[in-house]
Amino acid sequence: DAKTTQPTSMDCAEGRAANLPCNHSTISGNEYVYWYRQIHSQGPQYIIHGLKNNETNEMASLIITEDRKSSTLILPHATLRDTAVYYCIVRAAGGTSYGKLTFGQGTILTVHP
Amino acid sequence: NAGVTQTPKFQVLKTGQSMTLQCAQDMNHNSMYWYRQDPGMGLRLIYYSASEGTTDKGEVPNGYNVSRLNKREFSLRLESAAPSQTSVYFCASPRAAGAGGYNEQFFGPGTRLTVL
Repeated sequence: DAKTTQPTSMDCAEGRAANLPCNHSTISGNEYVYWYRQIHSQGPQYIIHGLKNNETNEMASLIITEDRKSSTLILPHATLRDTAVYYCIVRAAGGTSYGKLTFGQGTILTVHP
Repeated sequence: NAGVTQTPKFQVLKTGQSMTLQCAQDMNHNSMYWYRQDPGMGLRLIYYSASEGTTDKGEVPNGYNVSRLNKREFSLRLESAAPSQTSVYFCASPRAAGAGGYNEQFFGPGTRLTVL
């Protein structure tokens, strides 16, 4: 699985958009970009994933650059409950190991009132 | 539909004691996983089971054993607990890959284990 690089921490004002970057310059053509978050003391929660097109769901938007070497997770209107560690994970689909996820250090997002 | 459940939520052991962490999922998923998370670190895979009757080692399997009792249940056993096994343990189960090949992994609430 390709390695990812994320900033250690970020701050965001409540109600504003939170933009979390992730670099994955060694990503392969069959590897997806996944985003999970972990709110303090809870299990990780799936947010969104994508291959090469931008994606949006009820939680967030995922913007992947054309060369696929980086991506940005966007929380459009951050709330205090979005304070969490956000993990960017790159891995291939399919195969018997498709479920395994390699979690790095992630980005600590703090949303301020 | 409870998703992924884990018991117990908290446990304190003395060095050398044994215990079993229980995990169950009601989503009819084939695969189940055990991760550990140490303070300030990401999750590391201990063992996984791709399907009922099969288990495989992950990144950090030493000191642990697992049993895939049936499709719903996947247990993690510490035969002789050590202080280095103090951690938060998460069980997870991914949805089977769809036409797009992706998977969404569902996590349990975790078991907080302290070994003295």
